[in-house]
Amino acid sequence: GESVGLHLPTLSVQEGDNSIINCAYSNSASDYFIWYKQESGKGPQFIIDIRSNMDKRQGQRVTVLLNKTVKHLSLQIAATQPGDSAVYFCAENIWTGFQKLVFGTGTRLLVSP
Amino acid sequence: DAGVIQSPRHEVTEMGQEVTLRCKPISGHDYLFWYRQTMMRGLELLIYFNNNVPIDDSGMPEDRFSAKMPNASFSTLKIQPSEPRDSAVYFCASTRDGNTQYFGPGTRLTVL
Repeated sequence: GESVGLHLPTLSVQEGDNSIINCAYSNSASDYFIWYKQESGKGPQFIIDIRSNMDKRQGQRVTVLLNKTVKHLSLQIAATQPGDSAVYFCAENIWTGFQKLVFGTGTRLLVSP
Repeated sequence: DAGVIQSPRHEVTEMGQEVTLRCKPISGHDYLFWYRQTMMRGLELLIYFNNNVPIDDSGMPEDRFSAKMPNASFSTLKIQPSEPRDSAVYFCASTRDGNTQYFGPGTRLTVL
């Protein structure tokens, strides 16, 4: 039978809509966060990062918001395009004696034309 | 820049065989990471190196797994003997600043 795996939350949007992908992180001491995009058959690709002394950072069509009070991170994609379809991961930088990136389970974004 | 290079891209082997995965980091990056990605467990850090020295290998599953970095431009991840549960996509990543990691295309390993 089919193996049980991680159930990725899925966000389905129409082309041209704005997308918001959310992430809860675990460690209040984390000081650096990154969003990655992973397309099928490829490695994770860096999108945007933010340090804990900021609450918002903007890139090209993407914005990351950080709420340290509730340990929440979001990625906003403006005017979503079919090429944005992928799995999106947030990652937090944790100090455990060494610096270590810990990745969330990911959210699948499906963009229909 | 060519980015992180991994080889082979696909590997199919039989249980009990030795498997060697290879990685060339981005030139000038002094941190190198090995990850494993499966449907069951997501993306897991196995080991990372700084200036060719292993820093944190707490994610290496067991003694069947070993990793080396003989120089700044090459690293290997070896599984001996391989088992079907090792089937996964293995990623190598590198970074200059210890924060933003750049990933290779991955090696899809299937152990029969």
